[in-house]
Amino acid sequence: GAVVSQHPSRVICKSGTSVKIECRSLDFQATTMFWYRQFPKKSLMLMATSNEGSKATYEQGVEKDKFLINHASLTLSTLTVTSAHPEDSSFYICSAPKGGAGNTIYFGEGSWLTVV
Amino acid sequence: DAKTTQPPSMDCAEGRAANLPCNHSTISGNEYVYWYRQIHSQGPQYIIHGLKNNETNEMASLIITEDRKSSTLILPHATLRDTAVYYCIVRVAGGGADGLTFGKGTHLIIQP
Repeated sequence: GAVVSQHPSRVICKSGTSVKIECRSLDFQATTMFWYRQFPKKSLMLMATSNEGSKATYEQGVEKDKFLINHASLTLSTLTVTSAHPEDSSFYICSAPKGGAGNTIYFGEGSWLTVV
Repeated sequence: DAKTTQPPSMDCAEGRAANLPCNHSTISGNEYVYWYRQIHSQGPQYIIHGLKNNETNEMASLIITEDRKSSTLILPHATLRDTAVYYCIVRVAGGGADGLTFGKGTHLIIQP
């Protein structure tokens, strides 16, 4: 069964509004979670690393004020797309590492965001 | 993380074994080989990983060459549901603070 869960799986929002996507680790604690975005027929691009109890680390070119990340607990990270525009429409995916040395990273089901 | 090279696409007949190659000639001694797949419109699914020994689980087998510069993922009896993009990724052991870097992967198409 799934070990990382995302919600919502699909969301439509109006331009200028904000939308929040949740990522939960279901049976383990994750001090670190990762957020990706994926455009159609493209590979996954790492956006940021979410750190429990501290600020997220963003990849180069990703606007931290637009993509707000909050890692409020050891099982929950949220991504808020602020002032969304149609070009923010994409597939957003989170992941979290589980286990010790050689640990495995598991991915959520993904969230489709459409900005109209 | 070391870079990997995979063929962009492959076909395989349903019921046959699908063998997906991956080159990782610059892999370091402490880097594992991970395989994921992504079925259309879903998040990537973990398949298998290994360091230097061959590995097998309920989904697939992973064969790593002795010099660790390449590996092969084997799906023993491919079904139509195995059609997906398969990603080979190398990653430092216990690198929990580092996200995975995805290449373009191999689009495996299982033919009926």
